[in-house]
Amino acid sequence: DAKTTQPTSMDCAEGRAANLPCNHSTISGNEYVYWYRQIHSQGPQYIIHGLKNNETNEMASLIITEDRKSSTLILPHATLRDTAVYYCIVRVGSNTGKLIFGQGTTLQVKP
Amino acid sequence: SQTIHQWPATLVQPVGSPLSLECTVEGTSNPNLYWYRQAAGRGLQLLFYSVGIGQISSEVPQNLSASRPQDRQFILSSKKLLLSDSGFYLCAWGFRNEQFFGPGTRLTVL
Repeated sequence: DAKTTQPTSMDCAEGRAANLPCNHSTISGNEYVYWYRQIHSQGPQYIIHGLKNNETNEMASLIITEDRKSSTLILPHATLRDTAVYYCIVRVGSNTGKLIFGQGTTLQVKP
Repeated sequence: SQTIHQWPATLVQPVGSPLSLECTVEGTSNPNLYWYRQAAGRGLQLLFYSVGIGQISSEVPQNLSASRPQDRQFILSSKKLLLSDSGFYLCAWGFRNEQFFGPGTRLTVL
C-alpha cells in the first residue's frame, strides 16, 4: 500500500472549515484514499473514502486531485468535538481489508 | 445493527503473567476481524487479522498470539507479558470499505 504524508498538527477556529491535507504521490490506480479519525481514548471512526472522484457525506468532503497524488479532507464547520487525530490511509480494496495507520494529523479546534 | 464488544476495559498485569483479551461481534456474519495496539503517544499498529474461523495472519513478530474459535469471536493472548506489551488494544471488524472499532482495552504491565 502506498505511503501517505500528513502534517503533524493543525489548528482551526470553531465554526470555520478545517482543511486537512494528505500527500500520497506513490498511489497506484487501484488504491483508495480513506480517512479515519480518533478522538482521545476511543477507537478510530471511519469518515469517508474515495478513488478518484470527490466525495461528500454527512461528516465531511474529500477532494482528490486529478493526478490523485494528494487529497484534502474538509470539515465544513468544525466544532470542538472534531478535535481528534485524523488519519489518511491509502490501500487497495481487498478481501483482507487491512488498514495501515500512520501518525496522522492532530487537529485542535479552538473556541 | 452491528455491535462490537471488548473486555475488560482496563487491565493491570504483572510482567510474566498470561493475558487473554476477548472481542465479540454481534449482528453480522463472517466478518473480517482485526487486533490493533496503540502504545502511549504512538500510532495504531495492526497486530493480527482474520478472514475466517481458524485463519489468523500476523503482521508483526511479537510476544502475542491470536485465535478465532468462532465466527464472531477473536481472542488476543500472551503466555508471558512484557513491559513493552503495555498499550491500548483495539479490536475491529470490517465490512466492505469500512472498519468498525470496539471500545478498547487499556493494558498496563508492571
